[in-house]
Amino acid sequence: GAVVSQHPSRVICKSGTSVKIECRSLDFQATTMFWYRQFPKQSLMLMATSNEGSKATYEQGVEKDKFLINHASLTLSTLTVTSAHPEDSSFYICSATPGVTQYFGPGTRLLVL
Amino acid sequence: QKEVEQDPGPLSVPEGAIVSLNCTYSNSAFQYFMWYRQYSRKGPELLMYTYSSGNKEDGRFTAQVDKSSKYISLFIRDSQPSDSATYLCAMSASLQGAQKLVFGQGTRLTINP
Repeated sequence: GAVVSQHPSRVICKSGTSVKIECRSLDFQATTMFWYRQFPKQSLMLMATSNEGSKATYEQGVEKDKFLINHASLTLSTLTVTSAHPEDSSFYICSATPGVTQYFGPGTRLLVL
Repeated sequence: QKEVEQDPGPLSVPEGAIVSLNCTYSNSAFQYFMWYRQYSRKGPELLMYTYSSGNKEDGRFTAQVDKSSKYISLFIRDSQPSDSATYLCAMSASLQGAQKLVFGQGTRLTINP
């Protein structure tokens, strides 16, 4: 149980385009999902907390207009990186909680050329 | 001072050895403690969580919490090459869904055949 999926697993895009990443909880409902970013050999950096049916809460220093989060249902949250630039290249990971602890997706590797 | 301190390693041990991974923390509000395993280019996988001082065992893994010393450990017995990964400790003040996790930096572990 407690499976979280992400799609796509990998994406390469040109600078200036927007990229959408989906996070789904497959076998449980998640009122809260989290979005993280991870640079090589570093720990996870929390970007935002996503609550179903309400606006996301962004961490300090994270641009909410650049990283758009939508949590439309209890099993789906999306992160859209708008007008992506090479510095946005990173490993993006979501997590979801059924109320006990956080379960992570497999991550999405974004490369912006 | 970081809220959670974890030695990043790298740590390299021979197969079959007992591995000890540790984290210290400064926030006495932390009540719930988790260990995640992360393979390269994958999302973190929850190994264990505990909320009380003492030991919790699951197969070859034992999680130990000492709240008086603000110190947690993960022991791996009979270590296998497949245990080679980065191990992240994480903590929160609550298991409620909206509670953020605070992560350690992660320890890179290699088990040598």
